[in-house]
Amino acid sequence: GENVEQHPSTLSVQEGDSAVIKCTYSDSASNYFPWYKQELGKGPQLIIDIRSNVGEKKDQRIAVTLNKTAKHFSLHITETQPEDSAVYFCAASQGGEDTGGFKTIFGAGTRLFVKA
Amino acid sequence: KAGVTQTPRYLIKTRGQQVTLSCSPISGHRSVSWYQQTPGQGLQFLFEYFSETQRNKGNFPGRFSGRQFSNSRSEMNVSTLELGDSALYLCASSLARGGGSYNEQFFGPGTRLTVL
Repeated sequence: GENVEQHPSTLSVQEGDSAVIKCTYSDSASNYFPWYKQELGKGPQLIIDIRSNVGEKKDQRIAVTLNKTAKHFSLHITETQPEDSAVYFCAASQGGEDTGGFKTIFGAGTRLFVKA
Repeated sequence: KAGVTQTPRYLIKTRGQQVTLSCSPISGHRSVSWYQQTPGQGLQFLFEYFSETQRNKGNFPGRFSGRQFSNSRSEMNVSTLELGDSALYLCASSLARGGGSYNEQFFGPGTRLTVL
C-alpha cells in the first residue's frame, strides 16, 4: 500500500546550523507534498508545501525540494533557532475534487532539537 | 478568521464505552478529515467528509464512524472503546475549491482520548 518514509527520526543541531529532513513516497499518483510542524500540545501546523509540477519552493528560512523521478522530497531549515524545535511531519497527498476526494499519508515524524 | 476547533480537548473513558468527538472547520471550508495520532503509529487517516458524504476511508474497524452536517461541522464516534484507542484525534479542514485543487489541510488542536 501507500507509504511515506521519513528520516531521520531525531535530529539535533546547534543554533544557526541547517537542518535537513528527507522523505520518500511510494505512490506515483501523489501530487501534493505538505510539511507540518507540531509543537507540544498542539495540532500540526502547515509550514510549507510543494506541488508535483514544481521542483523547489522557498519561504524565508524554509525550503522544500521535490524529485518526482526518485519520489523524494526534503525540507531544509537554515539558520535554525531554538523555537524551531518541534516534531516535523512530511506528507504525500493524492486525488482531487473531480476524482472523488483526497487521501493523505504522513511520514512518522522527525523530532528536531535546536541547541542554543 | 477562526481556526479549526475541536471539543472536548480531553476525555477519559473506560473500555466498552462509546465516545463522540466534535470538529468545527474553518469558515467556508467544506472538507473535513479525521486522523488518529499515537506515538507508535504516527498520524493515521481515518476518513474524509465532504458535503455530508464520506469520500475516503482509512483502514480502521467499523467501530470508528463519522458524519458531517450541512454546516460542515463533523463528528466522529468510536463505539466499544478499547485500550488501544487511546490517542490524540485530530481534525483537519480544507477549502475544497473544486476541480484540480490540492488538499491544503489545516489542523485543529486535537482531542486527547484516554481509555482506562
